[in-house]
Amino acid sequence: QITLKESGPTLVKPTQTLTLTCTFSGFSLSTSGVGVGWIRQPPGKALEWLALIYWDDDKRYSPSLKSRLTITKDTSKNQVVLTMTNMDPVDTATYYCAHSQWLVPWFDPWGQGTLVTVSS
Amino acid sequence: EIVMTQSPATLSVSPGERATLSCRASQSVSSNLAWYQQKPGQAPRLLIYGASTRATGIPARFSGSGSGTEFTLTISSLQSEDFAVYYCQQYNNWPPRPTFGGGTKVEIK
Repeated sequence: QITLKESGPTLVKPTQTLTLTCTFSGFSLSTSGVGVGWIRQPPGKALEWLALIYWDDDKRYSPSLKSRLTITKDTSKNQVVLTMTNMDPVDTATYYCAHSQWLVPWFDPWGQGTLVTVSS
Repeated sequence: EIVMTQSPATLSVSPGERATLSCRASQSVSSNLAWYQQKPGQAPRLLIYGASTRATGIPARFSGSGSGTEFTLTISSLQSEDFAVYYCQQYNNWPPRPTFGGGTKVEIK
């Protein structure tokens, strides 16, 4: 059974850097074809894909947020970390991580999500 | 960027009735489309991938169809647990740049 769980701060100040960790079980990011993605959802709004990282350390980012995002993995800890710089109140959202696959980046399953509020 | 447009924004349906949700892509995505269900306070759940293949454990009353730019999710007989928001997502690009639709809320009529 695959499970994922997001962790990180619930409140960040504008201009700060957000660091979120996705801890997963039931699969390995050293297995060929495996990936983990990050997706966010502002309150009451739609989903927005942010980033993907694959078993071979290939990294992909949303073009609109690429300059602010970094995704990394720690295979030994079964963790994926997303950092987002220069946070703004419009970045207030629930941030999800999810299991994905090479060449077919749908997301299944998802973590429970973590709400991050950006406010001074 | 491929833009995904879902309609209607809200669909009012009585339990036991059929629900038909639409998703349109701004350019062809072949059959590279997924559908998700999201209930309040929960993470999205994958329902359909490849436009028409049900994910593991998804009831047969959920079906997907379409290809190219026009897609449909049909719920044949709505159950109480089906009232939720549904999102489509394309994954046609390489390198991957998945995009989601704005969602359709299925509410009780």
